[in-house]
Amino acid sequence: DVKVTQSSRYLVKRTGEKVFLECVQDMDHENMFWYRQDPGLGLRLIYFSYDVKMKEKGDIPEGYSVSREKKERFSLILESASTNQTSMYLCASRTSGAYGYTFGSGTRLTVV
Amino acid sequence: TQLLEQSPQFLSIQEGENLTVYCNSSSVFSSLQWYRQEPGEGPVLLVTVVTGGEVKKLKRLTFQFGDARKDSSLHITAAQPGDTGLYLCAGAGSGGGADGLTFGKGTHLIIQP
Repeated sequence: DVKVTQSSRYLVKRTGEKVFLECVQDMDHENMFWYRQDPGLGLRLIYFSYDVKMKEKGDIPEGYSVSREKKERFSLILESASTNQTSMYLCASRTSGAYGYTFGSGTRLTVV
Repeated sequence: TQLLEQSPQFLSIQEGENLTVYCNSSSVFSSLQWYRQEPGEGPVLLVTVVTGGEVKKLKRLTFQFGDARKDSSLHITAAQPGDTGLYLCAGAGSGGGADGLTFGKGTHLIIQP
């Protein structure tokens, strides 16, 4: 089975800190995605990547950046964490031509 | 921007009852997927429907894609406590999903023993 691993399940950071959320997939998937999930708002796409070194903005990219230096790893960076970035962050991957996404277990980030 | 409206938002029923969850949009999707999410975990793919009018069955779960590919439904027969969870529908646009999926806000389902 494809596995998507997110490095931390829970994270607490201070306002203004630079935060790195790491995601690794083990099945050579081309496409990777970062979503955040908030009550009442559902899943919203932050950034996605078609392949290594490629990145595209999703619906809510402000305050975030991403890095994909290797095909299996897609990192989400909060440049200067703010309290409104407290959320559940979900990473997903997909192989080109397939329909379904495989999600990681999520990182619950709290910014204080 | 494509939107997916899911209803109901919350549903609590007794074990053995039947239920239907709806997912509606004014936009056409190239495919539509259903996921189930348990607390503290990521969503897990249940099914993908691609063709208008398509019906897929997964044990007691029946998924249907509307003829115009704008809506979908999930029907559960004889619900069991193990069906409890957050059910999410997600649509792929012209990019086929490579550029992200549009998610509904989800249906919180509780099946009481």
